Amino acid sequence: NAGVTQTPKFRILKIGQSMTLQCAQDMNHNYMYWYRQDPGMGLKLIYYSVGAGITDKGEVPNGYNVSRSTTEDFPLRLELAAPSQTSVYFCASGFGQGGTDTQYFGPGTRLTVL
Amino acid sequence: KNEVEQSPQNLTAQEGEFITINCSYSVGISALHWLQQHPGGGIVSLFMLSSGKKKHGRLIATINIQEKHSSLHITASHPRDSAVYICAVVKDGATNKLIFGTGTLLAVQP
Repeated sequence: NAGVTQTPKFRILKIGQSMTLQCAQDMNHNYMYWYRQDPGMGLKLIYYSVGAGITDKGEVPNGYNVSRSTTEDFPLRLELAAPSQTSVYFCASGFGQGGTDTQYFGPGTRLTVL
Repeated sequence: KNEVEQSPQNLTAQEGEFITINCSYSVGISALHWLQQHPGGGIVSLFMLSSGKKKHGRLIATINIQEKHSSLHITASHPRDSAVYICAVVKDGATNKLIFGTGTLLAVQP
């Protein structure tokens, strides 16, 4: 049982490049989340999903896209990378609604945009 | 002003001390979470509570809904407790969205 896995662990992008951050969980959780963590700031919700085929925006969705074609996977897409997207990205999952159930976090992806 | 405020921002303690970390919030909530972020970056959920008190090992979390305040206590602190402790709340009517505080950096010295 690997829990929540994220790839890559680190990545450096040039401005304007695109990339996909991968997230997978093997706990059969319906709910999955993407957060970003900036230095000195609290985590902020980017997007979340309540099940395969269903996604919704969080607090800071601009510049990102998501899809959820399977229960296990929830990739986050950056189309045109900007320096403001330099951050640590965490994926999380849980059985129930995020506020009323434990969330399990992945190890994070540290992204730098130069 | 942030909807979730934590204090102190930084805390240094000696091994064995009793530690208290505070979280205040300014919105109506349905639940509050305490999480721990290790120096390597991994985040672990410690507690979720909507009333009263919860205990797990040396950790105790309390919440006072009327005063919009929660505390995380660590008894008999140990250097392995050194981490960032994060408070997050769930606003009424927004059950899928956690709002996070900026965290309290705890260092326990041997």
